[in-house]
Amino acid sequence: KQEVTQIPAALSVPEGENLVLNCSFTDSAIYNLQWFRQDPGKGLTSLLLIQSSQREQTSGRLNASLDKSSGRSTLYIAASQPGDSATYLCAASFSGGYNKLIFGAGTRLAVHP
Amino acid sequence: GAVVSQHPSWVICKSGTSVKIECRSLDFQATTMFWYRQFPKQSLMLMATSNEGSKATYEQGVEKDKFLINHASLTLSTLTVTSAHPEDSSFYICSARQGARTDTQYFGPGTRLTVL
Repeated sequence: KQEVTQIPAALSVPEGENLVLNCSFTDSAIYNLQWFRQDPGKGLTSLLLIQSSQREQTSGRLNASLDKSSGRSTLYIAASQPGDSATYLCAASFSGGYNKLIFGAGTRLAVHP
Repeated sequence: GAVVSQHPSWVICKSGTSVKIECRSLDFQATTMFWYRQFPKQSLMLMATSNEGSKATYEQGVEKDKFLINHASLTLSTLTVTSAHPEDSSFYICSARQGARTDTQYFGPGTRLTVL
């Protein structure tokens, strides 16, 4: 069964810290992996998409990596700010089922001043 | 660009009634739309995939007669929850994809359904 797991479930950090969110997946035949941000009661905002042929993607203070052999992806947030507080979801699509995004349960991040 | 809207943003209904949720791609044509549901503090679960002009493909465990999906045009898909019950209360999110093999799904803002 294809599953996506995120650790930790919740994280609280002071402003300015660099932090890492973890995502693991059970099937190495991954097509791509995406990181999303979800604010309370809102839809999803796409942050980064990594194709299976890539190892990382960067956007501003965000950097996402992908290691297919270990079944892991990490989202690195540099110099965190209170405005980064949200739930971060990773989602994977797998070869043969590229239509389907399988989501992790998310990491709820709180950045306090 | 690539904006997806949902209507309504929230709805409260009585048990036994039917509720229709609309998902629209505002500035692009969506060949494929997806419907997800999300329970509190849980992740999104794909319910069904709909392609314009054809029947929706439902995920295992999702009742197609209860969750009716219509994708009548390239910019509109609707999800109708028939004979809603309190356990159907959830956050429903749609997404839309522009091409047949593009990777990016654009997500709507979600609809909060509460069934009394």
